[in-house]
Amino acid sequence: GAVVSQHPSRVICKSGTSVKIECRSLDFQATTMFWYRQFPKQSLMLMATSNEGSKATYEQGVEKDKFLINHASLTLSTLTVTSAHPEDSSFYICSASAGAGNTIYFGEGSWLTVV
Amino acid sequence: GENVEQHPSTLSVQEGDSAVIKCTYSDSASNYFPWYKQELGKGPQLIIDIRSNVGEKKDQRIAVTLNKTAKHFSLHITETQPEDSAVYFCAATNQAGTALIFGKGTTLSVSS
Repeated sequence: GAVVSQHPSRVICKSGTSVKIECRSLDFQATTMFWYRQFPKQSLMLMATSNEGSKATYEQGVEKDKFLINHASLTLSTLTVTSAHPEDSSFYICSASAGAGNTIYFGEGSWLTVV
Repeated sequence: GENVEQHPSTLSVQEGDSAVIKCTYSDSASNYFPWYKQELGKGPQLIIDIRSNVGEKKDQRIAVTLNKTAKHFSLHITETQPEDSAVYFCAATNQAGTALIFGKGTTLSVSS
């Protein structure tokens, strides 16, 4: 079946630095990718939706200048957490779809710890 | 926007029993309802999904039912096994028909 890969699976960074997380669709063209954030024992919260070649649409309350999303190709989207702080520590999960009406597949997630 | 409510938050059953998890959604335009299983530290895995033109779908021990009029859908797991223990999330499409909005999750524990 379809596979969505995230990298890195775990990352530790210092406060004030930026960190990039990659999301790749391995065997299909993902016209749309989604980024979620999940705190321990909580549900997945949608952060933003990105369509290939256009600017991401951010959910209310998500700072677009802090969470930079790039979807430059049909198989790759990146999330960059800029000027990270400890409160940004979380599990970040991407998902991808070949478009509206198609099944949405999730990556394995990336644990971010900001120290 | 779409709002998805999920119950119960925790569910404990004996091996071999059935488990039922229920969700309601608010947006009558939603048309896609998947269920995901998430194990600790991993991303969600799709286990079954249903679209609004279907009332019920079954895949071996797992089934999902959808009542569009009442705007609720349920996950049914029969003959539960210890390896079914995980957190289960229901989801529904938002108004754009693409991004998924998730319920708060149900922690299922199956004891042998």
